[in-house]
Amino acid sequence: DTGVSQNPRHKITKRGQNVTFRCDPISEHNRLYWYRQTLGQGPEFLTYFQNEAQLEKSRLLSDRFSAERPKGSFSTLEIQRTEQGDSAMYLCASSRDSYGYTFGSGTRLTVV
Amino acid sequence: KQEVTQIPAALSVPEGENLVLNCSFTDSAIYNLQWFRQDPGKGLTSLLLIQSSQREQTSGRLNASLDKSSGRSTLYIAASQPGDSATYLCAVEPSSNFGNEKLTFGTGTRLTIIP
Repeated sequence: DTGVSQNPRHKITKRGQNVTFRCDPISEHNRLYWYRQTLGQGPEFLTYFQNEAQLEKSRLLSDRFSAERPKGSFSTLEIQRTEQGDSAMYLCASSRDSYGYTFGSGTRLTVV
Repeated sequence: KQEVTQIPAALSVPEGENLVLNCSFTDSAIYNLQWFRQDPGKGLTSLLLIQSSQREQTSGRLNASLDKSSGRSTLYIAASQPGDSATYLCAVEPSSNFGNEKLTFGTGTRLTIIP
């Protein structure tokens, strides 16, 4: 097990396009989280899955954002009709209950 | 609402010095506190996890302490090295409350070790 994997590492897209990011958590971890981080700030919570159930969504997650975790394995985060304000680092983390979080390397999104 | 503050926002020290990074949080009802390191443009690397029942954790040259009642944690780095240069983030997880199991982060301390 090589940790939490995120793809792609970088994504440049034109405003108005849709993008999808993927996160593969540590296999025995039941919880999966998405965070967003802008320059000079700490990560902000977006959404959280326990197994395949999405238990919480932040108010930051507008209706243009959707996340899935089919079968409680990998997760995808889709942003529709991207805006320049969506430019950020999108971080995925997983944990086994609350025994510490392991983060991936992130996907840096640039909307031009 | 939990708020996490890290002071200072930036710190520069000569190589070899010992240093302390500070983290404070407003709600003492926490389950655990975790310190992370982040290199520029990279993800987060976990350094130390302190459960609410613990007072400190150590890993190599790093020591983290937790005073839950006062809402404070410190990260002590001994004999600093240029490779320690990074942003250090602390994050707290609230006491178990179904659907509320997530981390709240501070804005980080950007540490520069001067060779």
